[in-house]
Amino acid sequence: DVKVTQSSRYLVKRTGEKVFLECVQDMDHENMFWYRQDPGLGLRLIYFSYDVKMKEKGDIPEGYSVSREKKERFSLILESASTNQTSMYLCASSPRQGTLAGGIVPYNEQFFGPGTRLTVL
Amino acid sequence: AQSVTQLGSHVSVSEGALVLLRCNYSSSVPPYLFWYVQYPNQGLQLLLKYTSAATLVKGINGFEAEFKKSETSFHLTKPSAHMSDAAEYFCAVSFSGTYKYIFGTGTRLKVLA
Repeated sequence: DVKVTQSSRYLVKRTGEKVFLECVQDMDHENMFWYRQDPGLGLRLIYFSYDVKMKEKGDIPEGYSVSREKKERFSLILESASTNQTSMYLCASSPRQGTLAGGIVPYNEQFFGPGTRLTVL
Repeated sequence: AQSVTQLGSHVSVSEGALVLLRCNYSSSVPPYLFWYVQYPNQGLQLLLKYTSAATLVKGINGFEAEFKKSETSFHLTKPSAHMSDAAEYFCAVSFSGTYKYIFGTGTRLKVLA
């Protein structure tokens, strides 16, 4: 079974603190993703990585950075936490996308961790 | 722009009744479509996916979904609801040429005894 683990289930931080959220997957997946989940907004992509040291911005990267030094680990960093970053953070991984005539064909599903509920006071 | 819409943020059904959760997408290229379920305090897990093979897709826990290109829909159904189906359900879409997945805003299913 694919397993995606996140370092904390619940986290409480103060405004201005630097926050690290860690995600580890054990299935040798190439792709990893960080989302935040807010009521009524669904999942919004913060950053994703398709290889070690490779990263791309998602839809809401402001206030966040990421690090992927090893294939199995993808870290989300809040440089200076703010109250509007209070949310549920979900990490996901997926195998390398299939290819069709050299193009990316994303038919592989994502595997999700249990989430980290972050509260910034 | 490519997008996915889930109609109804909350749906209530009686135990034993039909479950129908709606998902529509907007795209000019063929989509890959997914339904995920999220139980309280857990991450998302895959129910089923459409990847251009059969238009009627069967998933886990008795769920199925039908891809209808003419209606740009991928509605999720289950003939008979069970109490354990109470959860939040997300429709997601992806497209060739991108690593990204677009998620709907979710539908919370409540099952009444």
